[in-house]
Amino acid sequence: EPEVTQTPSHQVTQMGQEVILRCVPISNHLYFYWYRQILGQKVEFLVSFYNNEISEKSEIFDDQFSVERPDGSNFTLKIRSTKLEDSAMYFCASRVSPQTNYGYTFGSGTRLTVV
Amino acid sequence: AQKVTQAQTEISVVEKEDVTLDCVYETRDTTYYLFWYKQPPSGELVFLIRRNSFDEQNEISGRYSWNFQKSTSSFNFTITASQVVDSAVYFCALSEATETSGSRLTFGEGTQLTVNP
Repeated sequence: EPEVTQTPSHQVTQMGQEVILRCVPISNHLYFYWYRQILGQKVEFLVSFYNNEISEKSEIFDDQFSVERPDGSNFTLKIRSTKLEDSAMYFCASRVSPQTNYGYTFGSGTRLTVV
Repeated sequence: AQKVTQAQTEISVVEKEDVTLDCVYETRDTTYYLFWYKQPPSGELVFLIRRNSFDEQNEISGRYSWNFQKSTSSFNFTITASQVVDSAVYFCALSEATETSGSRLTFGEGTQLTVNP
């Protein structure tokens, strides 16, 4: 069964450093997403991406965050200058389209720890 | 704005008991989708079910069943004859169906289910 692949599974970084979280969505999917889950809390939407541009973003997704699909297969989330409160599990997801009968496929997540 | 409420923060049952996880949602849209995801201790999100707003038929899949009631804006999930492996956090989520936007998923707070042997 096709999977969404996220790397790395766990990343530790120092406060103020830039991090890039990587995702390989399912190949025929057109919509891509990043979600965040702070430990013990609910999963929160960050951003959706379609046709090489952001289609929607939440209030969490401020200027410190950016997304990119650099080569047609990878989908990345960059945090420019990490803060302690950025520590969370970050999930990538993809789907064919909102109008199909198929749901979202989530990756296994990247646990980001900012120290 | 859309909202999902899972009022039960934690539920603890003994193996073989039936358990129902509640989910209440709010949306202004007439077309939307409801989901349940399971998050085991390993952390990944496991898709369980997706329903659209026009299909109010209850669904059963093995020990799992879902009751969708539009009149009360609820989409409850029942596990019959629970097992220890069912222990996880369960999230209910809502997505609006739009032509142009990315249709974000809005998650509830989750219910931690613990099944004791």
